[in-house]
Amino acid sequence: EVQLVESGGGLVQPGGSLRLSCAASGFTFSSYDMHWVRQATGKGLEWVSAIGTAGDTYYPGSVKGRFTISRENAKNSLYLQMNSLRAEDTAVYYCARAAYMDVWGKGTTVTVSS
Amino acid sequence: QPVLTQSSSASASLGSSVKLTCTLSSGHSSYIIAWHQQQPGKAPRYLMKLEGSGSYNKGSGVPDRFSGSSSGADRYLTISNLQSEDEADYYCETWDSNTWVFGGGTKLTVL
Repeated sequence: EVQLVESGGGLVQPGGSLRLSCAASGFTFSSYDMHWVRQATGKGLEWVSAIGTAGDTYYPGSVKGRFTISRENAKNSLYLQMNSLRAEDTAVYYCARAAYMDVWGKGTTVTVSS
Repeated sequence: QPVLTQSSSASASLGSSVKLTCTLSSGHSSYIIAWHQQQPGKAPRYLMKLEGSGSYNKGSGVPDRFSGSSSGADRYLTISNLQSEDEADYYCETWDSNTWVFGGGTKLTVL
């Protein structure tokens, strides 16, 4: 079964850091671009970052310089290092597969609050 | 970068059909999009990839009741024989120059 499972969410103070993980199974992880997408409570979906099969990375302006996406193909794992966190980063974070996001995880919740 | 525009809400009766629209911004009318469904309290689920020609590829397990079509800059998701479980938010998504964007989503109510 093709599956993505996120972990690592939690409560963090403003200015703090957190590292999210996404474990992939059921497909050849190294062959796919991967994404992080977030959703604040009651809001729509927002693309957060992408990483290509060659390790090339992409970010929107809202997180560029603060978030870092990476992958470890030997462990079938995707990561999101989040630094300098702000209250507006509070959201459920999902990992998704490929440009058209044909597989989604169930998400992990990040709360940035003092 | 493309912008995707969706109506904020739609409603239709149980057993009827509904057609949701996602409109691509000027200069991006040929772009491929994807449709995603998000039921209340759940993660998004991929429904289909839809080309400007109207050709679409659905995800595994997506019922035959779901279909896609296109006209110019408009991308449509049609749901036939509406069921209660179709009550959800529907998002369109596209990408360009290594940037991905989502529409604002349409909240579908099944009456």
